[in-house]
Amino acid sequence: AQKVTQAQTEISVVEKEDVTLDCVYETRDTTYYLFWYKQPPSGELVFLIRRNSFDEQNEISGRYSWNFQKSTSSFNFTITASQVVDSAVYFCALARGNLIFGKGTKLSVKP
Amino acid sequence: ETGVTQTPRHLVMGMTNKKSLKCEQHLGHNAMYWYKQSAKKPLELMFVYSLEERVENNSVPSRFSPECPNSSHLFLHLHTLQPEDSALYLCASSQVAGTATANTGELFFGEGSRLTVL
Repeated sequence: AQKVTQAQTEISVVEKEDVTLDCVYETRDTTYYLFWYKQPPSGELVFLIRRNSFDEQNEISGRYSWNFQKSTSSFNFTITASQVVDSAVYFCALARGNLIFGKGTKLSVKP
Repeated sequence: ETGVTQTPRHLVMGMTNKKSLKCEQHLGHNAMYWYKQSAKKPLELMFVYSLEERVENNSVPSRFSPECPNSSHLFLHLHTLQPEDSALYLCASSQVAGTATANTGELFFGEGSRLTVL
């Protein structure tokens, strides 16, 4: 069975703090893809990153970075120097076809 | 402006009403999806259409009836719904069905239709 677990339901930080959102996945497939999406209050999910199971290199994009570790089946997302505009619900997802989403982590960044 | 537009943004209906949700994508994609987002639950994939043919129906009750007249439009017809059907219904599109096989693996989502069933 395929499953995505985001154990953190809600996180609250103060602006400029670093924050890491955890994602643990389960799959028996050797080829799969992992995603992170952001859902701001407006509702639409915004694609952030896609990673395939053969590429364990960490990725950095501005203040965002992702740590993919197959050994622990984790794909964690770190926001450095958080800003109020980062406040949203963040979803981790697994795919070998259609997407299976975690329940999401609501991040609140306070000024 | 999002490439995927959903109307209405908010809908309140009684259990005996019949209404429809509409989704339109302006991205030239070939696959469209309906997802249901309930409080404290993961997003649930409801239907997948590829080139206007339904390729997936995830055990969705028959009171939800999708329609895809062309690759740019997707409808979700609602009738005799239950209060537990209240949720945010999200439409998405991708270049091909099965996002893992697409070039970018990216789904483009609309802003959703917030449905309340009384």
